[in-house]
Amino acid sequence: AQTVTQSQPEMSVQEAETVTLSCTYDTSESDYYLFWYKQPPSRQMILVIRQEAYKQQNATENRFSVNFQKAAKSFSLKISDSQLGDAAMYFCAYRTGPNFGNEKLTFGTGTRLTIIP
Amino acid sequence: DVKVTQSSRYLVKRTGEKVFLECVQDMDHENMFWYRQDPGLGLRLIYFSYDVKMKEKGDIPEGYSVSREKKERFSLILESASTNQTSMYLCASSPSSRRGIAEQYFGPGTRLTVT
Repeated sequence: AQTVTQSQPEMSVQEAETVTLSCTYDTSESDYYLFWYKQPPSRQMILVIRQEAYKQQNATENRFSVNFQKAAKSFSLKISDSQLGDAAMYFCAYRTGPNFGNEKLTFGTGTRLTIIP
Repeated sequence: DVKVTQSSRYLVKRTGEKVFLECVQDMDHENMFWYRQDPGLGLRLIYFSYDVKMKEKGDIPEGYSVSREKKERFSLILESASTNQTSMYLCASSPSSRRGIAEQYFGPGTRLTVT
């Protein structure tokens, strides 16, 4: 079974600075997806960024980027120019590759990010 | 925009009651999921369904059952609520892998308290 580990329960960063959230995973599969989800306080979980394992290029979405190291099974999230609205719980998640009937996500335990004004 | 709605944001029930949590999605997604979220444990999958009337156990199905009679609706049932089922419950949906979209879309969650 796949496992996802987020070793930083809490992190904080000064507004406008850069922060990196860590995620490692364990799998024997070669084709899979990795995600970062954001859950703001009392608000809905939303997708931040997605990475397909077969793609060597790291995904980027505006101020959010990932460092995907397939051999090391590492998938960190970098947030540049941190803003107050980035304060949230961040979850790393793993999904096996295209496989009808087995499309569930395995989540890490989350990292609570605080932005310091 | 994909919309996933859950019937209640907050729910308080007594031990032994039968509890129904409802989830509806409006994007014709094949897959629907029920997760439980607890501090320090992340999200854990209770049940999922990849088609009407189909269901699969997740990692923590004990004490729960589900029903999917229509494609857009996925219900989580606590047959006899217990205090250790006090938690946040999140519903999610996603299209089939055949559509090439891998991510799941989440509802706002139901915070259930069992007293």
